Amino acid sequence: AQSVTQPDIHITVSEGASLELRCNYSYGATPYLFWYVQSPGQGLQLLLKYFSGDTLVQGIKGFEAEFKRSQSSFNLRKPSVHWSDAAEYFCAVGPSSNTGKLIFGQGTTLQVKP
Amino acid sequence: NAGVTQTPKFQVLKTGQSMTLQCAQDMNHEYMSWYRQDPGMGLRLIHYSVGAGITDQGEVPNGYNVSRSTTEDFPLRLLSAAPSQTSVYFCAIRDLLNYGYTFGSGTRLTVV
Repeated sequence: AQSVTQPDIHITVSEGASLELRCNYSYGATPYLFWYVQSPGQGLQLLLKYFSGDTLVQGIKGFEAEFKRSQSSFNLRKPSVHWSDAAEYFCAVGPSSNTGKLIFGQGTTLQVKP
Repeated sequence: NAGVTQTPKFQVLKTGQSMTLQCAQDMNHEYMSWYRQDPGMGLRLIHYSVGAGITDQGEVPNGYNVSRSTTEDFPLRLLSAAPSQTSVYFCAIRDLLNYGYTFGSGTRLTVV
């Protein structure tokens, strides 16, 4: 079955500390992978995406993610967290075909301590 | 969320009432979809469409109907609202040129 797992429901980090949000997926075909961020009461904003090529992808707001096929993972990282990064983060996987069915993880809520 | 317009932003319904959530795009993309977001469950696909006249079910289609008569519009219909349909609903389009998905700003629905 196709699925995405984000093992951490809540994460709290201090401002300026590094961050890693975990994402594991189960997908039969070559996956297209995404990370989205959602601030309270807002819609979803794309942080970054991976389709092929370099397994380390850079996104907006200083985020990066690394695709590890052997571990079926696509973890999101940021070297130094800012208070404005507090939000909910979603990992998602989708196909390359036109069906475009995007499957989401449960989400990780990030709290940033001053 | 330019290019995807959802209306209304908020709605309160009584159990058994019907309503239509609207989604419109001005980007001429073939793929459109509806998701619902519930705490702790991420976003789950309700229905999707790969072009005018073509729709299919997603993960949680029960209680919802869709149609796609034009490329621009993809309305989601609740025929008889139930409290379990209290959720935030997002419409999304897929840009096949850059493989990106663009989401609307959402509709917060409460069924009492």
